[in-house]
Amino acid sequence: KNEVEQSPQNLTAQEGEFITINCSYSVGISALHWLQQHPGGGIVSLFMLSSGKKKHGRLIATINIQEKHSSLHITASHPRDSAVYICAVSNTDKLIFGTGTRLQVFP
Amino acid sequence: SQTIHQWPATLVQPVGSPLSLECTVEGTSNPNLYWYRQAAGRGLQLLFYSVGIGQISSEVPQNLSASRPQDRQFILSSKKLLLSDSGFYLCAWSVRPINIQYFGAGTRLSVL
Repeated sequence: KNEVEQSPQNLTAQEGEFITINCSYSVGISALHWLQQHPGGGIVSLFMLSSGKKKHGRLIATINIQEKHSSLHITASHPRDSAVYICAVSNTDKLIFGTGTRLQVFP
Repeated sequence: SQTIHQWPATLVQPVGSPLSLECTVEGTSNPNLYWYRQAAGRGLQLLFYSVGIGQISSEVPQNLSASRPQDRQFILSSKKLLLSDSGFYLCAWSVRPINIQYFGAGTRLSVL
């Protein structure tokens, strides 16, 4: 069993829909990261959080430390949100990655 | 501001040939540096990380090696490439204690 599990693996949505991507982990962590990988391969860090909730534009990330679970929400989704979203956890200098959720948003 | 440069962007190499991928970081000192590989349809796999010059930790046994000859330079090498070395290679940096990792644009390597 992977230490970081994401669901769903693939997700399609119509423009404007509310999107939720889930991440569960089984190890002790100091922080959880959400990353976005665009079709060209480049990876951008979206959030790093260790408790509660963070919001940036239409993106919201939450974490429940007791349940070892995090969610990434996208409000009013847009085709440009199409990407692979990766959850990762850290407890040292290293990250442990989930396998990613491929999101496609259609107009 | 900090930037990370990784090159080349794409590379096609024959089996058995050597490899050298270079990554440099600007605008920060003493970063942690990382090399990752992403095989087609798979997640990111940490290959090497370094917390300082000459300090390399290997995560996965393989025919690849890494070196850090300068504070902000990280090199991924191989003496003889295998078909299984094909993939997307990403360099990243972070600074303790914040630990957000910033990624290079990646190198797509095809070994034929």
